[in-house]
Amino acid sequence: GAVVSQHPSRVICKSGTSVKIECRSLDFQATTMFWYRQFPKQSLMLMATSNEGSKATYEQGVEKDKFLINHASLTLSTLTVTSAHPEDSSFYICSATSGMPGELFFGEGSRLTVL
Amino acid sequence: EDQVTQSPEALRLQEGESSSLNCSYTVSGLRGLFWYRQDPGKGPEFLFTLYSAGEEKEKERLKATLTKKESFLHITAPKPEDSATYLCAVRTTSGTYKYIFGTGTRLKVLA
Repeated sequence: GAVVSQHPSRVICKSGTSVKIECRSLDFQATTMFWYRQFPKQSLMLMATSNEGSKATYEQGVEKDKFLINHASLTLSTLTVTSAHPEDSSFYICSATSGMPGELFFGEGSRLTVL
Repeated sequence: EDQVTQSPEALRLQEGESSSLNCSYTVSGLRGLFWYRQDPGKGPEFLFTLYSAGEEKEKERLKATLTKKESFLHITAPKPEDSATYLCAVRTTSGTYKYIFGTGTRLKVLA
């Protein structure tokens, strides 16, 4: 299957700082990338959908000014958590699709801890 | 409203004890049903895609089937290493890319 790389896998930061998480499709061009947040023992919560070269579409209740998403190329999308607070601590996962046949391939996830 | 429901929520099996996980869906139009395996602290790993009723896919001890209302993930003679959360997702015809995930089944296989 296709490979999606996510970095960093773990990050600890102080409250008020910003953190950037990268998501790369290594062996295919990702027309669309998705960012999810996952709480312990819960399923994936979609935060936003991004297409290369255009603004991300955020789900209801997700603050676009706090969670900045950039999809600058067909192989890279970034999620920046701005002015992070302890309540932003979570597991963030990206996924990517090339469009056809439609499978989503996921990154390894990033565990963010805000102190 | 489009909806995906997985059952059971959690399942404990003895090694070698075969069972099935269920994914029921109600969507306006189906563009594909996907099964994933997720280990703790990791991103989901793609297992299968099913597109039409009657379709079946197999991989080692896993077999996925699809009807017009639900999908089953059959696990034959499971081993402890099959322990994971299994997620089901549906891609609908609403919008270009809309995927709806179930809440998953946490499977524990005891040696």
